[in-house]
Amino acid sequence: QVTLRESGPALLKPTQTLTLTCTFSGFSLSTSGICVSWIRQPPGKALEWLALIDWDYDKHYRTSLKTRVTLSGDTSKNQVVLTLTNVDPLDTATYYCARARGGAPGHFDYWGQGILVTVSS
Amino acid sequence: EIVLTQSPVTLSLSPGERATLSCRASQGVGSSLAWYQQKPGQAPSLLIYDASHRATGIPGRFSGSGSGTDFTLTISSLEPEDFAVYYCQQRTNWPITFGQGTRLEIK
Repeated sequence: QVTLRESGPALLKPTQTLTLTCTFSGFSLSTSGICVSWIRQPPGKALEWLALIDWDYDKHYRTSLKTRVTLSGDTSKNQVVLTLTNVDPLDTATYYCARARGGAPGHFDYWGQGILVTVSS
Repeated sequence: EIVLTQSPVTLSLSPGERATLSCRASQGVGSSLAWYQQKPGQAPSLLIYDASHRATGIPGRFSGSGSGTDFTLTISSLEPEDFAVYYCQQRTNWPITFGQGTRLEIK
């Protein structure tokens, strides 16, 4: 059974660094064709793809966030960590991690429940 | 960046009716397009991938078609649980992009 779960802070102040952890089970990130991605959704708005790490641990980032976003993967812990520096109220969103298979870029067949992150002074 | 434009923004229909949702890409994406359904307070769930393939467990009333720049999601006969927001997503080029969504509401 494939599951993903996001964890991290619910509230941050502007300029702080957001660190979110995606803990998954039921698959291995080392399996060919498997990827894990972060996608966010501001309240009442559309989905926005942020970053993806694939089975070779290659990483892809949204261009507009490239200087602020970092992904890391830990096979032994089945975790993918997203770091977003210098947060702003515009980064307020529900952050989802999701699995893709069949290569990168991918389609997302399993999603975590999401975590709402609010940036406010 | 490939821009996906969904239409209509809102679609008002009654249970039992047929729903047709559109997604147009700013450049060709082949058949590398997916559709997701999102209900309030929930994560999106995959309905259709590679334009026309139903994901595991998706009822036969959902179908996808199209290639290149024009895609359609059809729900043949709406059930009460189908009223939700629908997003398309392309995986041809980086960055991965989503459409802005179509809200399917009960008339």
